[in-house]
Amino acid sequence: DAKTTQPNSMESNEEEPVHLPCNHSTISGTDYIHWYRQLPSQGPEYVIHGLTSNVNNRMASLAIAEDRKSSTLILHRATLRDAAVYYCILRGPLGGGSARQLTFGSGTQLTVLP
Amino acid sequence: ETGVTQTPRHLVMGMTNKKSLKCEQHLGHNAMYWYKQSAKKPLELMFVYNFKEQTENNSVPSRFSPECPNSSHLFLHLHTLQPEDSALYLCASSQGDIVSTDTQYFGPGTRLTVL
Repeated sequence: DAKTTQPNSMESNEEEPVHLPCNHSTISGTDYIHWYRQLPSQGPEYVIHGLTSNVNNRMASLAIAEDRKSSTLILHRATLRDAAVYYCILRGPLGGGSARQLTFGSGTQLTVLP
Repeated sequence: ETGVTQTPRHLVMGMTNKKSLKCEQHLGHNAMYWYKQSAKKPLELMFVYNFKEQTENNSVPSRFSPECPNSSHLFLHLHTLQPEDSALYLCASSQGDIVSTDTQYFGPGTRLTVL
C-alpha cells in the first residue's frame, strides 16, 4: 500500500469540529482511502472510506482533495469518547506485501479537551 | 460490540507454558486475521485465513501456531514464548471479497504478558 503521512497528535475542544489531515501523495488511481480509529484499551474500529467523492456516515465525513493527494477526516462535534488514535490507510486491489492486510502507521493521537 | 469476541482478555504465562487465544466472529465473514500490537509500535499482521485456508504468514516464529477450524473461529496456540512476545493480540474478521473496500472488524484483544 502507498504511504500516508499524518500529524502525531492533535487537540480539540469538546463539541467543536475536528479536521484530521492525511497526506498520500503517491496514491494510485485505484487506492481507496480508509480511516480507522483505536480507542484506549480497545481494538481498532472502522470509521469511513472513500475513493474520489466526499463521503458521510453516522460517525464522520471524509473530504478528499481533487487531486487525491490528501484527505481530511471530519468529526463534526468532538466528544470525549472520540479521543483515540486515528489511522489513515490506503488500500488498493492488491494491497502491499499482503493482499488483505491493513498497514497501520503511527496515526494521529486526538485529545479532546472538556 | 463489534461482533468479534476474544478470550481471554488478559493472560499471564511463563516461558515454558502452552496456552491458546480464542477468537469468534458472529458476522458471517469469510476472512479472519491475527495482529500483534507491541507497546509504542504499529499493529503488525501475523496471519490471515480466507475461507478457512491460511493465505498469509507474515514471517511469524513457529512458537505461534494458528488454527482456523471454521469461518467463525480462530485460535492462536502459544508455546515457549519469550518476554518480548508480550503484547496486545488482536483478532479481526472481514467479508474477504474485494480488498479495496473490505472492512475489518476487530475484537477487543488479549493482553498477553510473558514472564
